[in-house]
Amino acid sequence: GAGVSQSPSNKVTEKGKDVELRCDPISGHTALYWYRQSLGQGLEFLIYFQGNSAPDKSGLPSDRFSAERTGGSVSTLTIQRTQQEDSAVYLCASSLRGAPGETQYFGPGTRLLVL
Amino acid sequence: SQQGEEDPQALSIQEGENATMNCSYKTSINNLQWYRQNSGRGLVHLILIRSNEREKHSGRLRVTLDTSKKSSSLLITASRAADTASYFCATDYKNRDDKIIFGKGTRLHILP
Repeated sequence: GAGVSQSPSNKVTEKGKDVELRCDPISGHTALYWYRQSLGQGLEFLIYFQGNSAPDKSGLPSDRFSAERTGGSVSTLTIQRTQQEDSAVYLCASSLRGAPGETQYFGPGTRLLVL
Repeated sequence: SQQGEEDPQALSIQEGENATMNCSYKTSINNLQWYRQNSGRGLVHLILIRSNEREKHSGRLRVTLDTSKKSSSLLITASRAADTASYFCATDYKNRDDKIIFGKGTRLHILP
């Protein structure tokens, strides 16, 4: 594909509902990253995939957050029982091998608003 | 935290002037990268500097790295309106190959 794509672009949900965010990385990229960015803040690392496995889940803020990646490609980030503090932009990035110093290519993000 | 921290948090300059942003970090790194973000959306990679490099150029961008001070600076020369964005440094730490850590960013505003 031309770049990393994410869907939906925007999501408004009610507190307590579950949401699913999708990321399509660049074709052939083995590494995939999820970040969260609150308004005016930096990027908070959530989780990293190398292929289908996630060697580092340390950034997931609570057990309401989970992510999976299938076929070494598409990834979904699921937030259960959403809370207002989950409102943020969720960014996905991919890189070719996940090697140190490799450029990460970012998607446009999903803006989540929990009412 | 082991996060890179940019300084200043916000910067406004006149078009045509040079803009300098700084980043400090806490532990030994393999590499340091600078990214730009427009309108709160996806980030775009600008430049990477390795721990054994001291200075790097790319077009109007100049990046320096001082590992003794654990700091880096990004200089944008002859600024343009299109340079208005947030700029983030990102570091990957020795012995932590799996992720890079982003700072909170510097919001740069170029005044016409």
